[in-house]
Amino acid sequence: AQTVTQSQPEMSVQEAETVTLSCTYDTSESDYYLFWYKQPPSRQMILVIRQEAYKQQNATENRFSVNFQKAAKSFSLKISDSQLGDAAMYFCAYRSALKTSYDKVIFGPGTSLSVIP
Amino acid sequence: GAGVSQSPSNKVTEKGKDVELRCDPISGHTALYWYRQSLGQGLEFLIYFQGNSAPDKSGLPSDRFSAERTGGSVSTLTIQRTQQEDSAVYLCASTGQGVGTEAFFGQGTRLTVV
Repeated sequence: AQTVTQSQPEMSVQEAETVTLSCTYDTSESDYYLFWYKQPPSRQMILVIRQEAYKQQNATENRFSVNFQKAAKSFSLKISDSQLGDAAMYFCAYRSALKTSYDKVIFGPGTSLSVIP
Repeated sequence: GAGVSQSPSNKVTEKGKDVELRCDPISGHTALYWYRQSLGQGLEFLIYFQGNSAPDKSGLPSDRFSAERTGGSVSTLTIQRTQQEDSAVYLCASTGQGVGTEAFFGQGTRLTVV
């Protein structure tokens, strides 16, 4: 079974600085998708970024980028020029790309990010 | 609908009472998930429905918890004989069939057992 690990329960960053959130996963599959979700205090989960495993190029969305290391099964999220609105819980997630009847999205335990003014 | 809808948004109940939480997923989404989230904590997986397959109930914490999904759409999570430790936010999510599509979440139901 696949697992997702986030080893940093809490992180903090100075406003305007850069922070990297770690995520590792375990799978025997070769084709899958990885996601980072943001959950602000409003508790509405928002998709931040998505990465397809067969694409070597790291995904980027404005100030958010990932460092995807497939061999190491690592998928870290980098937030540049951190803003107060980035303060939230961040979840890493995995979903198989196999078209089977069981492709449950697997979430990591989350990292709580604080932004210091 | 346009998004995942959950009701009620807040529920206060007395210890020992039964509660029902409702989730209306995005139209056409075949997979539906229930999670529990305590304050400041991560997502605790409860149950997963996928199409006509048998649901994955491996996350249900006790037999007081049950869920059903009628007609492959709306789902109801029922908690019987509620306890104070059941107090949490209950989140519902749904995913479409497309490969690599993300999970869409509702706003959650905040359950408080007094």
